[in-house]
Formats: sequence, C-alpha cells, structure tokens
Amino acid sequence: ELKVEQNPLFLSMQEGKNYTIYCNYSTTSDRLYWYRQDPGKSLESLFVLLSNGAVKQEGRLMASLDTKARLSTLHITAAVHDLSATYFCAVDMGGAQKLVFGQGTRLTINP
Amino acid sequence: GAGVSQSPSNKVTEKGKDVELRCDPISGHTALYWYRQSLGQGLEFLIYFQGNSAPDKSGLPSDRFSAERTGGSVSTLTIQRTQQEDSAVYLCASSNWGRGSSSYEQYFGPGTRLTVT
Repeated sequence: ELKVEQNPLFLSMQEGKNYTIYCNYSTTSDRLYWYRQDPGKSLESLFVLLSNGAVKQEGRLMASLDTKARLSTLHITAAVHDLSATYFCAVDMGGAQKLVFGQGTRLTINP
Repeated sequence: GAGVSQSPSNKVTEKGKDVELRCDPISGHTALYWYRQSLGQGLEFLIYFQGNSAPDKSGLPSDRFSAERTGGSVSTLTIQRTQQEDSAVYLCASSNWGRGSSSYEQYFGPGTRLTVT
C-alpha cells in the first residue's frame, strides 16, 4: 500500500525566512504533485514533477523530486504572508493519476 | 475556459437518506476522479473514470457508494443510506490524461460539503 508522509504538519514562520516541506512516499512512482489549499477552498495545482531530478520553480516556491530516495521537497524562499495555506503533496498510485495524498502541511507566515 | 464545477456546494441531509452529488468536468477531459476530504481521513481517492471504460471503483469505502458518468462527461456520485461518517467534502477532478496527452495536470472542482445529521 502506497503511503505518503509530509513533514512538518504545521509550520509557523516569519516573513522573509526560508523553509522546506518534505514529502516521503513508500513505493516507486515517477509522478509527484504539489497542491495548495486555502481555507474553505479547493486544491490549486502548483507543480507536477515527472522524473527523477526534476526541479520546478514558480515565484518563491521551488519543488524537486528524487525518485531514488522517494522524496520530494517544496522550498519556500523569503516567505510572504500570501503564501499562508495548506500544502499537499500527492503521488500517482499505479499510473492512472489516482492520487494518494500526504496529510498536508499547514503553513502560517507571520508579518 | 470553464473549470470543473460541482453541485450542490453544500448539502445537509438526515442520516439514512440518499444523496446525489454532481460533477461537470472540464470540456474534453477524458479522465474524471472523485476524492473525499475529511478531518479524520485526509484526502482519499474514491473512483476513477477514463473515457468509456469501466470505472476503477477501488477506493469506494462501502457498497453504499456508487458513481456513474454519462456520455463521457457529467458524473454523479450517489451515497445511499447516509451515515454520519460520510460527512466530508467531496471533490471531483478531471484531466486529459490517457489519450496520448502529455499533460499530467489534474484540476479540482470547488467541492460539495456534505453534512449528515
């Protein structure tokens, strides 16, 4: 059974600081997704990582994938308040895009 | 173009009643997924449709849950004899995966918040 674990689950940080969210998964998969969810809202796609060594960046967020270590990271650079949200990673279970999600990381950025 | 839409946005029902939740995927998307988000279980896959193929029902939690997709487009998730543990947000997603597409993006709708009293 595929398990996806994120850490930390809660993160409170100051504006301007850097931090990393980690996503570990238990079985081989070549596709990893990162989503953002604001309170009461649906999931917004951030990144789709398709191969080992993939790195994608959008603004202050950068995601990477190491399929050998079964690890993805979401790095936040010089955080701003607008990035406060819950971030989920998800792994493709079996190749049909059936996603298995991590528990989510609730990120709070304080001015 | 328009995104994934779901209706109703909120549904309150009494325990034991049946409910139907609707999903309109992005036009042209062949793949459609239902997920459930609850405090206790997080985000869980429920069922997957690809074109006109038989659905993958491997995530449905019990036989009270069923879903259909008509004409390869709109989908309805039905929960019979609802229980309090069915209370959750039900999310629908669609993608263009599986038709020779190189796109792996999966787009989510706004969800239906179901409350069973």
